[in-house]
Amino acid sequence: QVQLQESGPRLVRPSQTLSLTCTVSGGSISSAGYFWTWIRQHPGKELEWIGYISYSGTPYISPSLESRVALASDTSQNRFSLQLSPVTAADTAFYYCARMFCSGSSCSRGGGFDSWGHGTLVTVSS
Amino acid sequence: EIVLTQSPATLSLSPGERATLSCTASETVNSYLAWYQQKPGQAPRLLIYDTFKRATGTPARFSGSGSGTDFTLTISTLEPEDFAVYYCQQRNSWVTFGGGTKVQIK
Repeated sequence: QVQLQESGPRLVRPSQTLSLTCTVSGGSISSAGYFWTWIRQHPGKELEWIGYISYSGTPYISPSLESRVALASDTSQNRFSLQLSPVTAADTAFYYCARMFCSGSSCSRGGGFDSWGHGTLVTVSS
Repeated sequence: EIVLTQSPATLSLSPGERATLSCTASETVNSYLAWYQQKPGQAPRLLIYDTFKRATGTPARFSGSGSGTDFTLTISTLEPEDFAVYYCQQRNSWVTFGGGTKVQIK
């Protein structure tokens, strides 16, 4: 069973860069049919999709965040990463990494996020 | 961006009752709608994807229906462990989530 674990600084200064890594075990991030995802949740609020990176390494980023987000994957370490910059207090949130599976052959629509990390609270504060 | 509106915001029911949760999209999402359950301090858990397909481990009391812009998650008989927040999510155009429905004990 695949497991995901987020890691990275819990406190980031305003205007700096938030960097998180998600290490995957029990499955390869190169396996066809899966996209490796970042989702955040402001405390007490709904979920917000940040973006995902495909099994072939292609990133897809939410239009609302694309000017500040970079996604990358490292197949040798079986992990993927998020960078968000510059950050403000509004970026304080729980950050989750998750696996999305494709339900169709094209992988362009549908499916769901079937495995999640526990989440990590990142606070932006001086 | 496709906006998903969930109703009601809060549903107060007793164990054994039937729960009906709604999710309305601002434009069609075809059948590409999923439902998640989230309990306090936990990550969300996928229940239903592509409108009606149960994820692995989802009990049969959970069912999904709908098409286009209007979708429903039904819990046929509420168990104590079902009291939680439920989110819908679309992946027809990028990915967006609804605001959630909290199912609480009456």
